[in-house]
Amino acid sequence: TQLLEQSPQFLSIQEGENLTVYCNSSSVFSSLQWYRQEPGEGPVLLVTVVTGGEVKKLKRLTFQFGDARKDSSLHITAAQPGDTGLYLCAGAQEYSSASKIIFGSGTRLSIRP
Amino acid sequence: DTGVSQDPRHKITKRGQNVTFRCDPISEHNRLYWYRQTLGQGPEFLTYFQNEAQLEKSRLLSDRFSAERPKGSFSTLEIQRTEQGDSAMYLCASSQDRGGVETQYFGPGTRLLVL
Repeated sequence: TQLLEQSPQFLSIQEGENLTVYCNSSSVFSSLQWYRQEPGEGPVLLVTVVTGGEVKKLKRLTFQFGDARKDSSLHITAAQPGDTGLYLCAGAQEYSSASKIIFGSGTRLSIRP
Repeated sequence: DTGVSQDPRHKITKRGQNVTFRCDPISEHNRLYWYRQTLGQGPEFLTYFQNEAQLEKSRLLSDRFSAERPKGSFSTLEIQRTEQGDSAMYLCASSQDRGGVETQYFGPGTRLLVL
């Protein structure tokens, strides 16, 4: 069974601090996506990473895909209350069918003003 | 607004009743997905369509669940004889199959509560 494990499950930090959340698997993925979801809403795509070792930046968010394409991290610099939400990673295997797009259970992030 | 839309946003029903949800995908997208998300979990795949053809169904999709996409545009998901365990957020996503990396865009979801 392929699993995407996200850690930590919950994180509460003070505004202005930095943080990193992780997405790990024993499986290789052809691509991996990060989403942010707010309560009562659907997930919103933040980024897609495809190449092993790839780093993408989105303002204060830095996403990295592991060299072996089994894991990924999301680093937030100088967190702000607007960053609060559920961060989900989702992986797709090469030539996978739709049902093989696997979501992690998410990291729930809370930024205290 | 050219995003994925879902209707209704919220539904409260009594156990045993039937409910139907609608999803309107991004207009040029040929793939449409249904997911279920329970509290504290990521979305779980239910089924997907390529144009009007339903190509895959998860084992989560019992015989009480049926989905259609009659003209390859909007889709409906019906749950018959609802049970309390059906209470969840039902998410729809769409994508365009271009043979490369696929990106799914999600709607806001329909939150179902079965009493």
